[in-house]
Order: sequence, then structure tokens, then C-alpha cells
Amino acid sequence: ELKVEQNPLFLSMQEGKNYTIYCNYSTTSDRLYWYRQDPGKSLESLFVLLSNGAVKQEGRLMASLDTKARLSTLHITAAVHDLSATYFCAVDGGYGGATNKLIFGTGTLLAVQP
Amino acid sequence: DTEVTQTPKHLVMGMTNKKSLKCEQHMGHRAMYWYKQKAKKPPELMFVYSYEKLSINESVPSRFSPECPNSSLLNLHLHALQPEDSALYLCASSQGIRWSYGYTFGSGTRLTVV
Repeated sequence: ELKVEQNPLFLSMQEGKNYTIYCNYSTTSDRLYWYRQDPGKSLESLFVLLSNGAVKQEGRLMASLDTKARLSTLHITAAVHDLSATYFCAVDGGYGGATNKLIFGTGTLLAVQP
Repeated sequence: DTEVTQTPKHLVMGMTNKKSLKCEQHMGHRAMYWYKQKAKKPPELMFVYSYEKLSINESVPSRFSPECPNSSLLNLHLHALQPEDSALYLCASSQGIRWSYGYTFGSGTRLTVV
């Protein structure tokens, strides 16, 4: 059974600092997604990582995927208050022809303090 | 059209009521999903439909009854719910269940059972 873990669960950062969120998953997959969720809102797609070694950047966020280590990272550079939200990684359990089903990590609540 | 539309946005229902949640997409996606999200938790998969047929039921209680009348529409019929069923219900779609390069989520229905 696919399990997806994130750490940390809660991250309090100062504006201007850098930090990394880690996402580990338990079975083989070559598709990983990062989402942002604001309180009471739906999921906003941030990144789609489709192969080993994939790296994508958007603004102050950069995501990478290492399928051999079953690890993805979301790096935050020079955090600003607007980045405060919950961040989820999600792994596609459809590897090898199995039915796609997106399994979410535990989530990281990011609070950026001025 | 690149959206998944969910209605209603908010729903309050009594434990003896019958209600339905609706999800619609016009992107030609052939896989559609229902997720349930409790407060401060990650979304949990409930059902997967592929080509209008139920592909996965994640052991969801029978008081939740999904229906896919056509390739664009997904319903979730609710009957005799319990207060613990109060949650955000998210609908999503993807190109297919074998090869998908992204999931599109709707804005969700906030359900309160009283």
C-alpha cells in the first residue's frame, strides 16, 4: 500500500529565510505533485514532476524529484508572508499500469512570520 | 474550459435528509474522482470512475453513493449521513486512469451534517 509522508508537519519561518519540505513515499512511482491549500479553500496545483531528476521552479518555490530515493523536496527561498498555507505532496499510485489514484502526504502547515 | 465545477459550494443537511453533490468537467477527461477532506487532514480518496464505470471504491460506507451519468458529470448521493461526515468534498478529473499528467480539482463542497 502506498504511503506518503511529509516533514515537517508544521513550519514556522521568518520572512527572508530559506527552508525545505520533504516528501517520502513507500512504493515505486514516477509522478509526483505539489499542491497548496489556503484555509477553507480547494487545492491549487503548484508542480507536476514526471520523471527522475525533474526540477521545477516558480517564483520562490522549487520542487525536485528523486524516484530512486522515493523523495521529493519543496524548497522555499526568501520566504514571504504570502507563502503561508498548507502544502501537500501527492503521489500517483498508478505506476506499472495500475489504476491512477492520487495519494496525499500528511501536509505541511507553513507560517511565515514578519 | 479547464475547470472542474462543483455545486453546491456549501450544504447543511440533517441526518435524515437525502442530498446530492454535483461535479462537472468539459475537458474530455475520462477519469473522475471523489475525495473527502477533514479539517487539518489531507484529502482521502473515496471513489474513482473511469469511462463512466466505477473503478475504485475505497471501502466507503453505503450512505455515500456515487454516480457517473456521462463522461462530464459525476454525482455523489448522500443519505442518512452522520455528523462525522461533515467535511470538504473535492471532485477531481484526469485524462485517464492509466496515463495522467495532472489532476484538476474543483473548488469543493463544504458539507455540514447536523
